[in-house]
Amino acid sequence: SAVISQKPSRDICQRGTSLTIQCQVDSQVTMMFWYRQQPGQSLTLIATANQGSEATYESGFVIDKFPISRPNLTFSTLTVSNMSPEDSSIYLCSGAGVMRSESQYFGPGTRLLVL
Amino acid sequence: AQTVTQSQPEMSVQEAETVTLSCTYDTSENNYYLFWYKQPPSRQMILVIRQEAYKQQNATENRFSVNFQKAAKSFSLKISDSQLGDTAMYFCAFMKRYGGSQGNLIFGKGTKLSVKP
Repeated sequence: SAVISQKPSRDICQRGTSLTIQCQVDSQVTMMFWYRQQPGQSLTLIATANQGSEATYESGFVIDKFPISRPNLTFSTLTVSNMSPEDSSIYLCSGAGVMRSESQYFGPGTRLLVL
Repeated sequence: AQTVTQSQPEMSVQEAETVTLSCTYDTSENNYYLFWYKQPPSRQMILVIRQEAYKQQNATENRFSVNFQKAAKSFSLKISDSQLGDTAMYFCAFMKRYGGSQGNLIFGKGTKLSVKP
């Protein structure tokens, strides 16, 4: 399995500001993903973080709002830009492909509240 | 497009008893994986069990087992000897395989399981 950490674990932000969330995996993974979990809801994929190239975004999510970086096989960042209260959610990163495993492992999530 | 349906929003079970959580999915793919994840109040997503679609044998992990019916597109989770620590939200998830790569997970809406003493 993989151990995934995220920073910060939680934050309270003001409307109009931006927050960058970091995701660190303890081993190389083939794929990294970012998900959003709105209050009381299931997880929805935001984008696939591609190493050394632009992320692949799902319908309804755009790069200007959620820029993503993945400079290497163990690290990725997600920025939530120009935040509004509707962005209040838990943001989770995941990694897959550790030691050829098909399983996907998750970080502990970042709980974001936008006022 | 793939969809995952969990028809039981909430369930409860007495400690030490057995409970089964239901999941159905819809896909035209033949090469995929199915997962059950547990999300306790801490919000950490914990992998419970994984099933490869090409395997007929049902996966088991200690007290957790699945009933995988590929033709019926059904993937239920059985928890035996339920423990208080099993109280959590349980998500069923589908993942398509792309050659040697892993795809993203598509989640059901979840089933909230309460284990009562």
